[in-house]
Amino acid sequence: QITLKESGPTLVKPTQTLTLTCTFSGFSLTTSGVGVGWIRQPPGEALECLALIFWDDDKRYSPSLRTRLTITKDTSKNQVVLTMTNMDPVDTATYYCAHRRGHSSPFYYWGQGTLVTVSS
Amino acid sequence: DIQMTQSPSSLSASVGDRVTITCRASQSISNYLNWYQQKPGKAPKVLIYAASSLQGGVPPRFSGSGSGTDFTLTISSLQPEDFATYYCQQSYSSPGTFGQGTKVEIK
Repeated sequence: QITLKESGPTLVKPTQTLTLTCTFSGFSLTTSGVGVGWIRQPPGEALECLALIFWDDDKRYSPSLRTRLTITKDTSKNQVVLTMTNMDPVDTATYYCAHRRGHSSPFYYWGQGTLVTVSS
Repeated sequence: DIQMTQSPSSLSASVGDRVTITCRASQSISNYLNWYQQKPGKAPKVLIYAASSLQGGVPPRFSGSGSGTDFTLTISSLQPEDFATYYCQQSYSSPGTFGQGTKVEIK
């Protein structure tokens, strides 16, 4: 059974760096083709793909946010970490991590999401 | 970056109605198009992948079609549990982009 769970701060101040961790089970990020992505959703708004990392350490970023994002993996801990620098109130959103079977695959399994609020 | 445009942004329908949602890509994405359903406070759930393949466990009243730039999600007979927001997503270029969503409400 594949599960994913996001963890990190619920409140960050403007200009701070956000670090979110996705801890997963039921699959390995050493398996060919497998990836984990981060997707966010501001309150009442649409979904936005932020970043993806694959089994071979291939990393893909949203073009509009790539200068602020870093995605890494720790296969020994079954974790994927997303950092986002220079946080702003417009970055307030629910952040999800999700499993992907390949570059052309949908996000089949999702975490429950974690709401991050950016406020001073 | 590939832009995905859904229409309509919202619709009102009755139980039993046939509902159609469209999604247009800013460039050809072959059939790398997925549809998700999201209910309030929950993570999205895959309904359709590769434009027309039904995800396991999804009722057959859901269907998808299209290729290139134009795609459609159809619900043949709307059920009470189908009132939700629907998103298309292209997986042609990573990390992928979502449409702005279509909220299906009760008439």
